[in-house]
Amino acid sequence: GAVVSQHPSRVICKSGTSVKIECRSLDFQATTMFWYRQFPKQSLMLMATSNEGSKATYEQGVEKDKFLINHASLTLSTLTVTSAHPEDSSFYICSASHDREDGYTFGSGTRLTVV
Amino acid sequence: GENVEQHPSTLSVQEGDSAVIKCTYSDSASNYFPWYKQELGKGPQLIIDIRSNVGEKKDQRIAVTLNKTAKHFSLHITETQPEDSAVYFCAASYTGTASKLTFGTGTRLQVTL
Repeated sequence: GAVVSQHPSRVICKSGTSVKIECRSLDFQATTMFWYRQFPKQSLMLMATSNEGSKATYEQGVEKDKFLINHASLTLSTLTVTSAHPEDSSFYICSASHDREDGYTFGSGTRLTVV
Repeated sequence: GENVEQHPSTLSVQEGDSAVIKCTYSDSASNYFPWYKQELGKGPQLIIDIRSNVGEKKDQRIAVTLNKTAKHFSLHITETQPEDSAVYFCAASYTGTASKLTFGTGTRLQVTL
């Protein structure tokens, strides 16, 4: 089956620094990837849709200058949280849509803690 | 845009009993309805999905039903086991790889011995 690898699984960073999270589709090409944020005991909130070779589409209320998304290849999308603050602490999850069938595969998530 | 409501928010059942989780959606254009299981600290895992051209789909102990007219779809888990304990999310989208999923609010299922 389709596999999406997300790294790192956990990261702790200091306020003001930037953190990069990678999302890779291992055995399929993902023309579209999605980035979600999940607060404790809540649902997944879509942050942005990432298309290979083009600019990401951000959901309303998501700061595109703070959450930089790059989808440089058909198998890799990255999310960079810039100038992180404690309120950016959250669980970030990526997913990729399949190029050969309808469906979405999710990464294992990244727990970001900003201290 | 699409809006997906999910009930109940928590569900406790005894091992061996059945569990039912219900969702409603608002956009009649939606035609793909997956269900995900999320364990603590992990990403969602697809457990079953259904498309609008069928009314029911079953995979061992798990089944999903869809009522397009009423815009309802439900997850049924029979013979529940402790390892079924997790948070379950329904979602909806329309066909197309660039289409985004809209998630329900989640149901925390606890299977007690």
